[in-house]
Amino acid sequence: EVQLVESGGGLVQPGRSLRLSCAASGFTFDDYAMHWVRQAPGKGLEWVASIREDSGSIDYADSVKGRFTISRDNAKNSLYLQMNSLRPEDTAFYYCAKDAAWSLDYWGQGTLVTVSS
Amino acid sequence: QSALTQPASVSASPGQSITISCTGTSSDIGGYNHVSWYQQHPGKAPKLIIYEVTNRPSGVPDRFSGSKSGNTASLTISGLQTEDEADYYCNSYTSSNTRVFGGGTKLTVL
Repeated sequence: EVQLVESGGGLVQPGRSLRLSCAASGFTFDDYAMHWVRQAPGKGLEWVASIREDSGSIDYADSVKGRFTISRDNAKNSLYLQMNSLRPEDTAFYYCAKDAAWSLDYWGQGTLVTVSS
Repeated sequence: QSALTQPASVSASPGQSITISCTGTSSDIGGYNHVSWYQQHPGKAPKLIIYEVTNRPSGVPDRFSGSKSGNTASLTISGLQTEDEADYYCNSYTSSNTRVFGGGTKLTVL
């Protein structure tokens, strides 16, 4: 059974940093690209970033480019999102998701990041 | 990276059919067959229901179907059931090697 479990969310002040983790199991992690998607409370989904299987291709939404860094450790079956220079508008549930056939076929339950002073 | 355009809400009665549109550009929907649809119930993670425009993952009822014409993709749900009441999002691959979601459509089954 595929499982994705996010962690690392919490309350952080504007301008500070936070690192999210996503622990994957139930599939061969290094065979698949992975994504981060966020959802502000009561709002729609926003794609944040993606990373290919071998970290050879990484892409970001314009809204986070230069502030967020996606990475993965295939030996640990883990995906990460380093978030720097956080802004109140980054407040959201952050989901990690597995890529398949140009879609996101499995999602974690999300971790809430709140940026507020 | 402008969001794809979806109607904010649709409603229908059980047993009826609805179609949700998702409009993009030639740089996303119009340029690729990499359109997917997601269903999200309140407080839950999104669930993939359509991939590559028309394909249903295992376990998704055949009441759900997808199509595309030009820069617009569509999700049709036939024989509506009360459990179909949820938010629905489209997503497309883009020419910038990114992904973009639609703004979401709230489906109410009256």
